Amino acid sequence: ETGVTQSPTHLIKTRGQQVTLRCSSQSGHNTVSWYQQALGQGPQFIFQYYREEENGRGNFPPRFSGLQFPNYSSELNVNALELDDSALYLCASSLGGARTDTQYFGPGTRLTVL
Amino acid sequence: SQQGEEDPQALSIQEGENATMNCSYKTSINNLQWYRQNSGRGLVHLILIRSNEREKHSGRLRVTLDTSKKSSSLLITASRAADTASYFCATDQGWGNNRLAFGKGNQVVVIP
Repeated sequence: ETGVTQSPTHLIKTRGQQVTLRCSSQSGHNTVSWYQQALGQGPQFIFQYYREEENGRGNFPPRFSGLQFPNYSSELNVNALELDDSALYLCASSLGGARTDTQYFGPGTRLTVL
Repeated sequence: SQQGEEDPQALSIQEGENATMNCSYKTSINNLQWYRQNSGRGLVHLILIRSNEREKHSGRLRVTLDTSKKSSSLLITASRAADTASYFCATDQGWGNNRLAFGKGNQVVVIP
């Protein structure tokens, strides 16, 4: 157990809807990174939040947005869902910023878009 | 973005045998990490090797890094059925925020 929790575990949505995924970071960690993992692929970096500010973004459209709260938990929001958004969404917490540090992953949220 | 690429993609071995996986990447890196994933669940960090290191051990795991060839290998010795999982390499390419670029993963099946 890494101490990183994600909710919900599974989610089914239809195209065009909006979804919010949540992540609670490990105690003492101020950085949360979000990754998307399509079936049979490796995780792809979406973005990272460090001390409530976005600190880097991967090649994802603006309809993927996020927040980090003062307790360092985080949300990933996806608007106008598309079928290709179906994936496992993973968050990872770390002591962060520019530090090179081990990332601790949560169990993921499985999103299915119909 | 550049990503690690593991080779081979799938490996099936008998319990007790050694399993070796390779990973190549295309750009300079700060470090390279290996993760394990069971049945599409969360990733478990196995080992991190920095760009100035050549070999690292952790229990039954041995990782090598050859920055001149931009490649790494993960060796699991004396495999167990519980080692059945997908294994991913991930590179920190120095974006300054510990962002990781993952490969496609190796599926390892250890037959009891």
